[in-house]
Amino acid sequence: SFELTQPPSVSVSPGQTASITCSGHKLGDKYACWYQQKPGQSPVLVIYQDSKRPSGIPERLSASNSGNTATLTISGTQAMDEADYYCQAWDSSTGVVFGGGTKLTVL
Amino acid sequence: QVQLQESGPGLVKPSQTLSLTCSVSGGSISSGSYYWSWIRQPAGKGLEWIGRIYTSGSTNYNPSLKSRVTISVNTSKNQFSLKLSSVTAADTAVYYCAGPGTGTTSGDVWGQGTTVTVSS
Repeated sequence: SFELTQPPSVSVSPGQTASITCSGHKLGDKYACWYQQKPGQSPVLVIYQDSKRPSGIPERLSASNSGNTATLTISGTQAMDEADYYCQAWDSSTGVVFGGGTKLTVL
Repeated sequence: QVQLQESGPGLVKPSQTLSLTCSVSGGSISSGSYYWSWIRQPAGKGLEWIGRIYTSGSTNYNPSLKSRVTISVNTSKNQFSLKLSSVTAADTAVYYCAGPGTGTTSGDVWGQGTTVTVSS
Protein backbone atom coordinates (compact mmCIF):
# COMPACT_ATOMS: atom_id res chain seq x y z
CA SER A 1 0.00 0.00 0.00
CA PHE A 2 1.06 3.59 -0.59
CA GLU A 3 2.59 5.36 2.40
CA LEU A 4 3.86 8.87 3.13
CA THR A 5 6.70 9.43 5.59
CA GLN A 6 7.41 12.68 7.41
CA PRO A 7 9.99 13.53 10.09
CA PRO A 8 8.27 13.67 13.49
CA SER A 9 9.72 17.05 14.32
CA VAL A 10 11.53 20.02 12.84
CA SER A 11 12.93 22.98 14.74
CA VAL A 12 13.69 26.43 13.38
CA SER A 13 14.73 29.79 14.75
CA PRO A 14 12.47 32.79 14.15
CA GLY A 15 13.17 34.44 10.82
CA GLN A 16 14.92 31.38 9.42
CA THR A 17 13.72 28.92 6.79
CA ALA A 18 12.08 25.64 7.74
CA SER A 19 11.76 22.69 5.40
CA ILE A 20 9.45 19.75 6.03
CA THR A 21 9.76 16.71 3.79
CA CYS A 22 7.21 14.08 2.80
CA SER A 23 8.43 10.90 1.12
CA GLY A 24 6.56 8.27 -0.84
CA HIS A 25 7.18 5.98 -3.78
CA LYS A 26 6.99 8.10 -6.97
CA LEU A 27 5.20 10.83 -5.03
CA GLY A 28 6.25 13.28 -7.74
CA ASP A 29 3.87 11.52 -10.11
CA LYS A 30 0.96 12.46 -7.88
CA TYR A 31 -0.35 15.76 -6.56
CA ALA A 32 0.62 16.50 -2.96
CA CYS A 33 -1.09 18.90 -0.60
CA TRP A 34 -0.28 20.15 2.88
CA TYR A 35 -2.39 20.87 5.95
CA GLN A 36 -1.45 22.96 8.98
CA GLN A 37 -3.00 22.08 12.33
CA LYS A 38 -2.58 24.16 15.46
CA PRO A 39 -3.39 22.73 18.91
CA GLY A 40 -7.10 22.31 19.48
CA GLN A 41 -7.97 23.43 15.95
CA SER A 42 -9.07 21.75 12.74
CA PRO A 43 -6.55 21.32 9.94
CA VAL A 44 -6.19 24.11 7.39
CA LEU A 45 -5.23 23.52 3.76
CA VAL A 46 -2.10 25.56 3.06
CA ILE A 47 -0.84 24.01 -0.21
CA TYR A 48 -2.65 22.09 -2.95
CA GLN A 49 -1.61 20.64 -6.30
CA ASP A 50 2.03 20.48 -5.15
CA SER A 51 2.68 24.22 -4.90
CA LYS A 52 -0.51 26.30 -5.06
CA ARG A 53 -1.61 28.40 -2.11
CA PRO A 54 -5.30 28.85 -1.25
CA SER A 55 -6.50 32.38 -0.77
CA GLY A 56 -5.27 33.87 2.49
CA ILE A 57 -2.20 31.67 2.88
CA PRO A 58 0.96 33.82 3.17
CA GLU A 59 3.54 33.75 0.41
CA ARG A 60 6.24 32.67 2.85
CA LEU A 61 4.73 29.18 2.61
CA SER A 62 5.82 27.41 -0.56
CA ALA A 63 6.17 23.83 -1.69
CA SER A 64 7.50 21.55 -4.37
CA ASN A 65 7.14 17.91 -5.36
CA SER A 66 9.56 15.84 -7.41
CA GLY A 67 10.84 12.28 -7.50
CA ASN A 68 9.91 10.62 -4.22
CA THR A 69 9.77 13.76 -2.08
CA ALA A 70 7.46 16.68 -1.55
CA THR A 71 8.82 19.60 0.47
CA LEU A 72 7.02 22.35 2.35
CA THR A 73 9.19 25.42 2.88
CA ILE A 74 8.41 28.21 5.30
CA SER A 75 10.56 31.29 4.80
CA GLY A 76 11.01 33.91 7.49
CA THR A 77 9.38 31.56 10.00
CA GLN A 78 7.24 33.25 12.61
CA ALA A 79 5.95 32.06 15.97
CA MET A 80 2.48 31.74 14.44
CA ASP A 81 3.81 29.07 12.08
CA GLU A 82 4.38 26.68 14.99
CA ALA A 83 2.00 23.81 14.30
CA ASP A 84 1.70 20.25 13.07
CA TYR A 85 1.97 19.85 9.30
CA TYR A 86 0.54 16.93 7.34
CA CYS A 87 1.18 16.04 3.73
CA GLN A 88 -1.52 14.23 1.78
CA ALA A 89 -1.79 12.54 -1.59
CA TRP A 90 -4.21 10.34 -3.49
CA ASP A 91 -3.27 6.84 -4.60
CA SER A 92 -5.53 4.82 -6.89
CA SER A 93 -5.09 1.66 -4.79
CA THR A 94 -4.94 3.04 -1.26
CA GLY A 95 -7.10 6.15 -1.58
CA VAL A 96 -6.34 9.32 0.32
CA VAL A 97 -3.13 8.97 2.32
CA PHE A 98 -1.85 11.30 5.04
CA GLY A 99 1.71 11.48 6.23
CA GLY A 100 2.28 10.93 9.92
CA GLY A 101 2.68 14.63 10.57
CA THR A 102 5.59 16.89 11.51
CA LYS A 103 5.62 19.10 14.57
CA LEU A 104 7.26 22.41 13.69
CA THR A 105 8.80 24.15 16.68
CA VAL A 106 9.89 27.76 16.42
CA LEU A 107 12.63 28.16 19.01
CA GLN B 1 -18.33 30.53 2.14
CA VAL B 2 -19.14 26.89 2.81
CA GLN B 3 -19.23 25.81 6.44
CA LEU B 4 -19.37 22.28 7.83
CA GLN B 5 -20.71 21.06 11.17
CA GLU B 6 -20.48 17.54 12.53
CA SER B 7 -23.15 16.12 14.80
CA GLY B 8 -23.84 12.81 16.49
CA PRO B 9 -23.46 10.86 19.74
CA GLY B 10 -20.29 11.48 21.68
CA LEU B 11 -20.38 8.05 23.30
CA VAL B 12 -20.87 4.73 21.54
CA LYS B 13 -20.79 1.27 23.08
CA PRO B 14 -18.38 -1.37 21.79
CA SER B 15 -19.75 -3.50 18.92
CA GLN B 16 -22.36 -0.87 18.08
CA THR B 17 -22.51 1.46 15.08
CA LEU B 18 -21.10 4.97 15.15
CA SER B 19 -23.28 7.42 13.20
CA LEU B 20 -22.30 11.00 12.40
CA THR B 21 -23.76 13.66 10.16
CA CYS B 22 -22.08 16.62 8.52
CA SER B 23 -24.33 19.57 7.76
CA VAL B 24 -23.24 21.82 4.92
CA SER B 25 -24.19 25.50 4.93
CA GLY B 26 -23.32 28.36 2.60
CA GLY B 27 -23.48 26.19 -0.49
CA SER B 28 -25.15 23.17 -2.04
CA ILE B 29 -23.59 19.76 -1.52
CA SER B 30 -24.85 18.71 -4.94
CA SER B 31 -23.43 21.59 -6.95
CA GLY B 32 -20.18 21.27 -8.81
CA SER B 33 -17.98 18.16 -8.91
CA TYR B 34 -16.55 17.68 -5.46
CA TYR B 35 -15.69 15.13 -2.82
CA TRP B 36 -16.97 15.26 0.74
CA SER B 37 -14.77 13.43 3.23
CA TRP B 38 -14.58 11.98 6.71
CA ILE B 39 -11.25 12.02 8.55
CA ARG B 40 -10.46 11.08 12.13
CA GLN B 41 -7.70 11.77 14.62
CA PRO B 42 -7.10 9.78 17.81
CA ALA B 43 -5.93 11.91 20.71
CA GLY B 44 -2.30 12.91 20.26
CA LYS B 45 -2.00 11.12 16.93
CA GLY B 46 -2.13 11.91 13.23
CA LEU B 47 -4.90 12.21 10.70
CA GLU B 48 -6.53 9.07 9.28
CA TRP B 49 -8.69 9.21 6.18
CA ILE B 50 -11.92 7.24 6.53
CA GLY B 51 -13.56 7.79 3.17
CA ARG B 52 -15.33 10.20 0.84
CA ILE B 53 -18.38 10.59 -1.34
CA TYR B 54 -18.50 12.31 -4.70
CA THR B 55 -21.22 14.64 -5.91
CA SER B 56 -22.50 11.78 -8.08
CA GLY B 57 -22.81 9.53 -5.02
CA SER B 58 -19.83 7.30 -5.72
CA THR B 59 -17.65 6.48 -2.73
CA ASN B 60 -14.05 5.66 -1.85
CA TYR B 61 -13.08 4.08 1.47
CA ASN B 62 -9.88 3.47 3.40
CA PRO B 63 -9.08 -0.19 2.67
CA SER B 64 -8.41 -0.85 6.35
CA LEU B 65 -11.91 0.33 7.30
CA LYS B 66 -13.85 -0.51 4.15
CA SER B 67 -15.71 -3.50 5.57
CA ARG B 68 -17.18 -1.35 8.37
CA VAL B 69 -17.76 2.04 6.71
CA THR B 70 -20.69 3.52 4.84
CA ILE B 71 -20.79 7.14 3.67
CA SER B 72 -23.99 8.51 2.21
CA VAL B 73 -25.43 11.84 1.15
CA ASN B 74 -28.81 13.45 1.69
CA THR B 75 -29.07 16.23 -0.86
CA SER B 76 -32.48 17.38 0.36
CA LYS B 77 -30.99 18.12 3.78
CA ASN B 78 -27.61 19.23 2.39
CA GLN B 79 -25.87 16.68 4.59
CA PHE B 80 -23.58 13.72 4.29
CA SER B 81 -23.21 10.97 6.84
CA LEU B 82 -20.81 8.38 8.21
CA LYS B 83 -21.66 4.99 9.64
CA LEU B 84 -18.91 2.86 11.20
CA SER B 85 -20.01 -0.53 12.44
CA SER B 86 -18.64 -2.91 15.07
CA VAL B 87 -16.70 -0.19 16.83
CA THR B 88 -13.99 -0.82 19.41
CA ALA B 89 -11.95 1.42 21.68
CA ALA B 90 -9.54 1.89 18.76
CA ASP B 91 -12.23 3.92 17.01
CA THR B 92 -12.17 6.57 19.74
CA ALA B 93 -11.11 9.80 18.05
CA VAL B 94 -12.04 13.27 16.92
CA TYR B 95 -14.01 12.88 13.71
CA TYR B 96 -13.86 15.63 11.09
CA CYS B 97 -15.88 16.18 7.95
CA ALA B 98 -14.16 18.08 5.16
CA GLY B 99 -14.81 19.41 1.67
CA PRO B 100 -15.40 20.44 -1.00
CA GLY B 101 -12.42 18.42 -2.17
CA THR B 102 -11.02 17.66 -5.56
CA GLY B 103 -9.59 14.32 -6.50
CA THR B 104 -6.32 15.21 -4.82
CA THR B 105 -7.29 17.17 -1.71
CA SER B 106 -9.74 16.66 1.11
CA GLY B 107 -10.94 20.24 0.76
CA ASP B 108 -10.25 23.63 2.20
CA VAL B 109 -13.16 23.59 4.61
CA TRP B 110 -13.21 21.39 7.71
CA GLY B 111 -15.73 21.07 10.47
CA GLN B 112 -14.71 21.80 14.03
CA GLY B 113 -14.55 18.09 14.75
CA THR B 114 -16.57 15.98 17.13
CA THR B 115 -15.13 13.67 19.76
CA VAL B 116 -16.47 10.13 19.76
CA THR B 117 -15.58 7.81 22.61
CA VAL B 118 -16.18 4.08 22.40
CA SER B 119 -16.79 2.73 25.87
CA SER B 120 -19.29 0.64 27.74
